[in-house]
Amino acid sequence: AQRVTQPEKLLSVFKGAPVELKCNYSYSGSPELFWYVQYSRQRLQLLLRHISRESIKGFTADLNKGETSFHLKKPFAQEEDSAMYYCALPFSGGYNKLIFGAGTRLAVHP
Amino acid sequence: EAEVAQSPRYKITEKSQAVAFWCDPISGHATLYWYRQILGQGPELLVQFQDESVVDDSQLPKDRFSAERLKGVDSTLKIQPAELGDSAMYLCASSLNGDPYNEQFFGPGTRLTVL
Repeated sequence: AQRVTQPEKLLSVFKGAPVELKCNYSYSGSPELFWYVQYSRQRLQLLLRHISRESIKGFTADLNKGETSFHLKKPFAQEEDSAMYYCALPFSGGYNKLIFGAGTRLAVHP
Repeated sequence: EAEVAQSPRYKITEKSQAVAFWCDPISGHATLYWYRQILGQGPELLVQFQDESVVDDSQLPKDRFSAERLKGVDSTLKIQPAELGDSAMYLCASSLNGDPYNEQFFGPGTRLTVL
């Protein structure tokens, strides 16, 4: 079965420190993966997607098929990065259904 | 900027009562999703519409939950009767179509508390 695992419920770092939010997936094919983010009192929104190969707000994510991972990274955390981050995998059985991980709360301290 | 609208934002009800949530997707978006998010978990899809048709309701508890999108625009999710375990955030999202690479746009959610 397809599954997304985010092993850390909370990641706490200081401003300026590197950040790595872990995401592992189970999928037999070549997946398309997403990171969604929810800032305090805001709605869930797309941060970045694997297919775009882009860097958004300094964040990047590399797909590692060997390790079945799609970790989200940023070299220098900012306080405004504090939020809930969800990794998501499209379900292969049909339409655009996303399977979300449980989420990781990133807290960046001054 | 166009956004997905949901109402109410908060709903408190007693078990065995009926509740209904409303969602208005971004104009022109053919695909509409209802998710349930239990505290500490990620969103889980309950039902997905393509225009007015249900394309996935495999996780919808059909004995008590129903959803409709009669004119292929706004949608209503109903629970009758509500149970204590239904307490959660109910999120609505929309996307341009069913392409899995399309971004999903989320509403603010309805937080349901069942007493």
